[in-house]
Amino acid sequence: EADIYQTPRYLVIGTGKKITLECSQTMGHDKMYWYQQDPGMELHLIHYSYGVNSTEKGDLSSESTVSRIRTEHFPLTLESARPSHTSQYLCASRPQGTDTQYFGPGTRLTVL
Amino acid sequence: GNSVTQMEGPVTLSEEAFLTINCTYTATGYPSLFWYVQYPGEGLQLLLKATKADDKGSNKGFEATYRKETTSFHLEKGSVQVSDSAVYFCALKTQGAQKLVFGQGTRLTINP
Repeated sequence: EADIYQTPRYLVIGTGKKITLECSQTMGHDKMYWYQQDPGMELHLIHYSYGVNSTEKGDLSSESTVSRIRTEHFPLTLESARPSHTSQYLCASRPQGTDTQYFGPGTRLTVL
Repeated sequence: GNSVTQMEGPVTLSEEAFLTINCTYTATGYPSLFWYVQYPGEGLQLLLKATKADDKGSNKGFEATYRKETTSFHLEKGSVQVSDSAVYFCALKTQGAQKLVFGQGTRLTINP
């Protein structure tokens, strides 16, 4: 069982603000992922990382950026939030040699 | 490309009813197949998985059998409870791939 933490759990901000969504895991997993989940429930992969200093764009184009300076942390940043960024953001990680992804509780972002 | 198609929801059942949520897939090679569950306000949790044809995954009374001939991985439970109300995602991962491919999710509501 992996422990994955996301903060904040809920965030309401105004248009134009810069925000960073935090994701951390304590199990030393190499692979980490960010998903955007729309109100219709569908999950869209927006970023992933194979390990430290590795980041890749996912299947859905996103204006967000990510970094992976340490194995444990995979923060997601929006330089200038817009109402179209309102969504739930889910972070996940996967250990080497397995297929199973472990998910954090998510951050629900509302941009006014 | 690889894809997963789930039974459209929402699905509403009475407690103790029999549940089936259909899932079919298209993939190259021999993927691993998963069911994830998302309870209200939470991230996704792995419910069960199967890694090769004819394998049966099971957990918490739920079962799914990997059927290569019909490219299906239907989720079943003999007697559902109110606490099973959640969104269920079918997913696949092909060998060597770094990413999961998710279906669109099926919202299940169980009434007492």
